[in-house]
Amino acid sequence: DTAVSQTPKYLVTQMGNDKSIKCEQNLGHDTMYWYKQDSKKFLKIMFSYNNKELIINETVPNRFSPKSPDKAHLNLHINSLELGDSAVYFCASSQDQTGYGYTFGSGTRLTVV
Amino acid sequence: AQSVTQLGSHVSVSEGALVLLRCNYSSSVPPYLFWYVQYPNQGLQLLLKYTTGATLVKGINGFEAEFKKSETSFHLTKPSAHMSDAAEYFCAVSGRGSARQLTFGSGTQLTVLP
Repeated sequence: DTAVSQTPKYLVTQMGNDKSIKCEQNLGHDTMYWYKQDSKKFLKIMFSYNNKELIINETVPNRFSPKSPDKAHLNLHINSLELGDSAVYFCASSQDQTGYGYTFGSGTRLTVV
Repeated sequence: AQSVTQLGSHVSVSEGALVLLRCNYSSSVPPYLFWYVQYPNQGLQLLLKYTTGATLVKGINGFEAEFKKSETSFHLTKPSAHMSDAAEYFCAVSGRGSARQLTFGSGTQLTVLP
C-alpha cells in the first residue's frame, strides 16, 4: 500500500489553464504539506494543513489554492498557469508530534508550455 | 526560525571510498535534524533523523550522522560508497511545538565513480 500517493505523476498543460493535483495519505497522520521543488532541486514549503485547518501559508501566488476535504486528503488547485509554475510538486504528511519527520509522495512533475 | 546550509552542491567519490556530506544548521530552539535521499525522478526518502538522546544516529543503507551541538553540524557519512548511493541528499531541520515546519537545505548531488 502506498503511504502518500499523488496524482497525476506527470502533468503537461498550456499557459492559462487551470489544473489540480491530488494527494492522499493512509498513514493516519494529522498534518499534510505541499512542497515545490524547482529546477535547481530546491525544496520550499507552500502550504500545511493540520486536521483540515490551514496552518502554514507561505508566500505563494493567490493562483494556488489548497483544499483539504478531510485529514487524509490535501489537493492543490492552480489557476491561470504560468511558465514559472513548472516544477515538481511534492505532497507530504507527518504525525502531529514533532520529531517524526515527513513521509513524501513521489511527486507531480508539472510542465507548463 | 531554522535554516540549514549544505556545503558542496556536488560531491564525487570513488566506489569504496568514504562518503562525507556536510550540513550545518541554525536554530533558536533545540532542533530535530534529518537527512533525506532523492533518487532520480522519485520522491524523498528518510535516511535518518536526530531527535533526542544519542548524538550518533544510524540510518538505512549504512549511513550515519552525528549531531554536534558545539559545531551546529549534522554531517552524513558512509564508510564505503556504492554505485547505488548516487543520488541527491537533503539535510533538513525542524523546530518543536508550533515551529515544526521542515526546512530543507539546497541539496548535495553525490556521484560515485567506478
